[in-house]
Parts: sequence; C-alpha cells; structure tokens
Amino acid sequence: EAGVTQSPTHLIKTRGQQATLRCSPISGHTSVYWYQQALGLGLQFLLWYDEGEERNRGNFPPRFSGRQFPNYSSELNVNALELEDSALYLCASSFSGSKAGELFFGEGSRLTVL
Amino acid sequence: AQSVTQLDSHVSVSEGTPVLLRCNYSSSYSPSLFWYVQHPNKGLQLLLKYTSAATLVKGINGFEAEFKKSETSFHLTKPSAHMSDAAEYFCVVSDQGTYKYIFGTGTRLKVLA
Repeated sequence: EAGVTQSPTHLIKTRGQQATLRCSPISGHTSVYWYQQALGLGLQFLLWYDEGEERNRGNFPPRFSGRQFPNYSSELNVNALELEDSALYLCASSFSGSKAGELFFGEGSRLTVL
Repeated sequence: AQSVTQLDSHVSVSEGTPVLLRCNYSSSYSPSLFWYVQHPNKGLQLLLKYTSAATLVKGINGFEAEFKKSETSFHLTKPSAHMSDAAEYFCVVSDQGTYKYIFGTGTRLKVLA
C-alpha cells in the first residue's frame, strides 16, 4: 500500500514568487495536515484539512493557504515568498474523527527561497 | 489545553548503552501519545503509540515507552543504543476531544562509537 506522497521533492524559488506543494494521503485517510520545519525551529503546524474543509490553522500569515480536493489530496500554496519560508514542508494524513490515531508522514518537500 | 515538553534538546550516549529520552505532557482529555523519529532530511516515522490500552508500549527497533499518568510522563527508552538510532525524536500528544496533535520541540540523539 502506498504511503503519503509529496511533490515536488525539492523546489527552488526566488523572493516574491509563489510555490505550490502537493500531497496525496494514504488511501482511506480523509485528514491531511501540513507542517513547516525550518532549520532549528522544530515542526510548526500550518493547516489541517478534513473531508474537504479547513478545520484548523496555525499561526501563519494569510499568504500560506491551501485546499483539499474531493479525492482528499491536498495542495499548499505559499504566495509572495520570503527568504524565511525556506524549510522542509511535511504533509501527514490520518483517519478522521474518533478513528484518527497516528499521523502518517510523507518525505517532505524542501523549499529553498533565494 | 494540551502541551508537551521534551526535557532535553540533545542527548549523547555511547553505542551499546541505554537510551532515555524524556517527555512530559499535559492534556484536558484522555490523551493519545506518540513517539516519532526523524532521520536527516526525511519525514517522520512512528516509533510507538499509547492509546489508553497497556501503559508499557513496545515499538519498533527495540524502543519502548511507559505512560505514567501520575507523573504525566511518557519517556522513551531503549536498552542498548545502536549507531543507526542517531536521529531526532519527537514526542506528540493528541486529545480525543480535539483531534489536534501537539509536537514537542524534539530531542537530537547522538550515538558515540
């Protein structure tokens, strides 16, 4: 069974550009979580989608946005890129609600902003 | 409110000696607790989880953790460290009421030859 897949693996952008990251959850999972892991800052919660809706948002500016598609895959968009957006972006999926259990993580997308 | 504290940001052990990574939590509801491991530039892999069954939880690669409600702790242990255990470890708490996952700041484990 396929795990959580993320694309692209690496992405290089310049300041002011936009970046789009994609995530496909494990089959049967309806919840998708996005985390930012910048150097030395641990995992910072970005967004949580479940059943196609945004359920919770971390303390990030509005230029970080995303969506979840009917097949439960998800996209993270970062507009007006800044140097400090350089980080590993991790996606995780889980079952929904009372069956949530553990998170399953993808390998991440490394975003570099020059 | 939920929170989790990993008491050590860095731990160094010699190969073949025991590993202890400490985690304390607070939770308003019945918590689920997890330990994840992250090797450099990789995603997080689940080591073990506690979800209100047995308080001593065994995980992969010889790791185990004990849920101690009275001490609000969930420390990760391994009897004998291996070089391949060198990585960053995250303790995570999740409430059944909120379905939010709160991550600790991580403990970097170094294993000396």
